[in-house]
Amino acid sequence: KAGVTQTPRYLIKTRGQQVTLSCSPISGHRSVSWYQQTPGQGLQFLFEYFSETQRNKGNFPGRFSGRQFSNSRSEMNVSTLELGDSALYLCASSSGARETQYFGPGTRLLVL
Amino acid sequence: GENVEQHPSTLSVQEGDSAVIKCTYSDSASNYFPWYKQELGKRPQLIIDIRSNVGEKKDQRIAVTLNKTAKHFSLHITETQPEDSAVYFCAANSSGNTGKLIFGQGTTLQVKP
Repeated sequence: KAGVTQTPRYLIKTRGQQVTLSCSPISGHRSVSWYQQTPGQGLQFLFEYFSETQRNKGNFPGRFSGRQFSNSRSEMNVSTLELGDSALYLCASSSGARETQYFGPGTRLLVL
Repeated sequence: GENVEQHPSTLSVQEGDSAVIKCTYSDSASNYFPWYKQELGKRPQLIIDIRSNVGEKKDQRIAVTLNKTAKHFSLHITETQPEDSAVYFCAANSSGNTGKLIFGQGTTLQVKP
């Protein structure tokens, strides 16, 4: 099976702009979770989607949002970008709760 | 709140020695504990996981132990090799029907030839 893919891989934006990142899970996986990875904060949970429904949300401001489509592909959106949003954004797919999560290669976002 | 503490933050060992990384979790309802290895510039990759119905799991040179009473789990790597050098993350699942993982801060392991 093909692995988890993410697009784009790299992105440069300026403060105030918005950005949309995409994640395609492993075929058959219905759960997609998003994480933000920074050197200072490590890996932090953003949200999880399962069968097009947000099942859980991390402690991030409302500028961070996401959705999942009927084919399980997921997008996350960050509006009004801030310098502190610069990070590696990883998505992970799994077949369900307490099952192995497989990570995508990530999207590296730089906000100038 | 939910928290996973991981120690040490850096670990340097000689090739062939063993390495041990320890994690403590706060949510007593956590029942799934994966370990990920992340090489520089690459995605985290699962190396081993354990569920709360077992106390130990082994896969070749890698083993994980779980102490539910103490809310503590550890990764043991024996006969370390230079290619084991990477950042290792422990994680615990959040309670409830969710895939949310709470990660430790990571351990940078350096294996010196």
